[in-house]
Amino acid sequence: GQSLEQPSEVTAVEGAIVQINCTYQTSGFYGLSWYQQHDGGAPTFLSYNALDGLEETGRFSSFLSRSDSYGYLLLQELQMKDSASYFCAVSEDSSYKLIFGSGTRLLVRP
Amino acid sequence: EPEVTQTPSHQVTQMGQEVILRCVPISNHLYFYWYRQILGQKVEFLVSFYNNEISEKSEIFDDQFSVERPDGSNFTLKIRSTKLEDSAMYFCASRHEGQANTGELFFGEGSRLTVL
Repeated sequence: GQSLEQPSEVTAVEGAIVQINCTYQTSGFYGLSWYQQHDGGAPTFLSYNALDGLEETGRFSSFLSRSDSYGYLLLQELQMKDSASYFCAVSEDSSYKLIFGSGTRLLVRP
Repeated sequence: EPEVTQTPSHQVTQMGQEVILRCVPISNHLYFYWYRQILGQKVEFLVSFYNNEISEKSEIFDDQFSVERPDGSNFTLKIRSTKLEDSAMYFCASRHEGQANTGELFFGEGSRLTVL
């Protein structure tokens, strides 16, 4: 079967760094994406890794280890507006339909 | 900036009624998807659509669901006879063929369906 595991909640203070882990077990693997979703809003694309290593996009970075079926999203210089849910999602094949994890709710405190 | 638009934003319906949710994907996108999210839960894949036909569907997408692209811009999800458990946020998403290697889908703001 398919499974993506993420922590359900993370709390951090403004200005800090937080890492959200994702481990996956899927029948195929093309890449790992990360999406942000504010309450009542649409998922918004943050980052994508198809190959091992670190991808950096501003304050956000994402890492992938295909051999470990593991990835993480790193958020630096946290801001209050980063409070949201973060989902990892796997593309299993060339259709690029996404299998989402259950999401991690990030609360940033002053 | 181009965006995926969905209507209605919220629909309340009685159990057993038919519902049509509408989406206008970004104009040069060729791949379309419907996802749903039950309140507080993860986003679940329903169906993908390419070249005017369904390319893949999930176990959730049973005979009561159908999708159409009635014209060059709209993409619809029909639920024939709604059930209480169909209450969820339904997201339409699209991508351009050139985005195949980026993992990026563009999501609409969603249509919240409430079945009473």
